[in-house]
Amino acid sequence: AQSVTQLGSHVSVSEGALVLLRCNYSSSVPPYLFWYVQYPNQGLQLLLKYTSAATLVKGINGFEAEFKKSETSFHLTKPSAHMSDAAEYFCAVSESGFGNEKLTFGTGTRLTIIP
Amino acid sequence: GAVVSQHPSWVICKSGTSVKIECRSLDFQATTMFWYRQFPKQSLMLMATSNEGSKATYEQGVEKDKFLINHASLTLSTLTVTSAHPEDSSFYICSAPRRELATQYFGPGTRLTVL
Repeated sequence: AQSVTQLGSHVSVSEGALVLLRCNYSSSVPPYLFWYVQYPNQGLQLLLKYTSAATLVKGINGFEAEFKKSETSFHLTKPSAHMSDAAEYFCAVSESGFGNEKLTFGTGTRLTIIP
Repeated sequence: GAVVSQHPSWVICKSGTSVKIECRSLDFQATTMFWYRQFPKQSLMLMATSNEGSKATYEQGVEKDKFLINHASLTLSTLTVTSAHPEDSSFYICSAPRRELATQYFGPGTRLTVL
């Protein structure tokens, strides 16, 4: 079975500071990994996905994530936080990168931006 | 703009009544849709996979007679919560994979409150 673990249910950073949200995965097959963002009372929006093409994945809104097999990690980063980045972030894993398989989500990390 | 819609966005009902939630893919066809449930400040948990023209596949522990899923067309899946109870109060989110883009799109969610 596949799973993801997000370390830190709450992360606070100052505006302009580095954002680092942690995600570790467990998978018996090569994983396909995703980061989604959820704003209050809304659905999820895909930030980026790893499908084995490149270990460093760039997404929308200036976010990127690096797949590290040796560390079984897929941490999300952004060099400079913006107030609009305040939201809930979910790491997810699936067995395919085709987008048509069910996703297993982590518990989420709430990101707060301090002005 | 949104590519997956849900209706209603919120609903309040009395205990014992049934509630139907619709999930529509707006500009693409989806032979598969997924239904998730999200409790407050928790992650998304997959409830079932909706398959157009055939029976839904339910995750372990989800009562199929309580959460009826119908995927009658390539753009519409419905989730009916039958004989709702307060413990069914939750945020229900659907998603639809768009194969040619290898991406799942999520609906904005439906907040169900059972009194």
